[in-house]
Amino acid sequence: AQSVTQPDIHITVSEGASLELRCNYSYGATPYLFWYVQSPGQGLQLLLKYFSGDTLVQGIKGFEAEFKRSQSSFNLRKPSVHWSDAAEYFCAVGGGYQKVTFGTGTKLQVIP
Amino acid sequence: EPEVTQTPSHQVTQMGQEVILRCVPISNHLYFYWYRQILGQKVEFLVSFYNNEISEKSEIFDDQFSVERPDGSNFTLKIRSTKLEDSAMYFCASQPRSSYNEQFFGPGTRLTVL
Repeated sequence: AQSVTQPDIHITVSEGASLELRCNYSYGATPYLFWYVQSPGQGLQLLLKYFSGDTLVQGIKGFEAEFKRSQSSFNLRKPSVHWSDAAEYFCAVGGGYQKVTFGTGTKLQVIP
Repeated sequence: EPEVTQTPSHQVTQMGQEVILRCVPISNHLYFYWYRQILGQKVEFLVSFYNNEISEKSEIFDDQFSVERPDGSNFTLKIRSTKLEDSAMYFCASQPRSSYNEQFFGPGTRLTVL
């Protein structure tokens, strides 16, 4: 069965500092991997996705993620966090036309 | 840019009542999904739908739930007799034929069961 683990429930970073959110997945075949961001009471916005090819993928808002098959990881990074990045971030895994399985999310707090 | 739309944005209902949540997927998409997110929890898969049939459903999707694509454009989720624990944000998603595409999510309907 596919699953996603986000070990950090809550992370606090200073504005301007770098960010890395961890994600580990379990999937039987080549995974399709996603990162979504959700502000309180809002919908899901896709930050980036990995299907194949280059293992370092660039997304919107200056985010990037690196797929590491050997570690079953797909960590999200941003070099310099802005106050507007405060939100909840969900890693997700799916494949083809199958369901997407989400992690439990990491809430990001940005302090001045 | 085409978007998935959902109505209503917020629905309040009494326990035991039937509710229908509506979604308009992106027009050339062929695969449709419903997910839910209980407040403070992760997003959970409910059901997938293709070619007018359910492709897969989770254990959450019991006999109280049904889906329909009544007119070729709308995609609905019906809950026959709502329970307090059905209170959640419900997301619709659609996906085009190419597998190298993500599911496109709607903004969600917040269902509150009193």
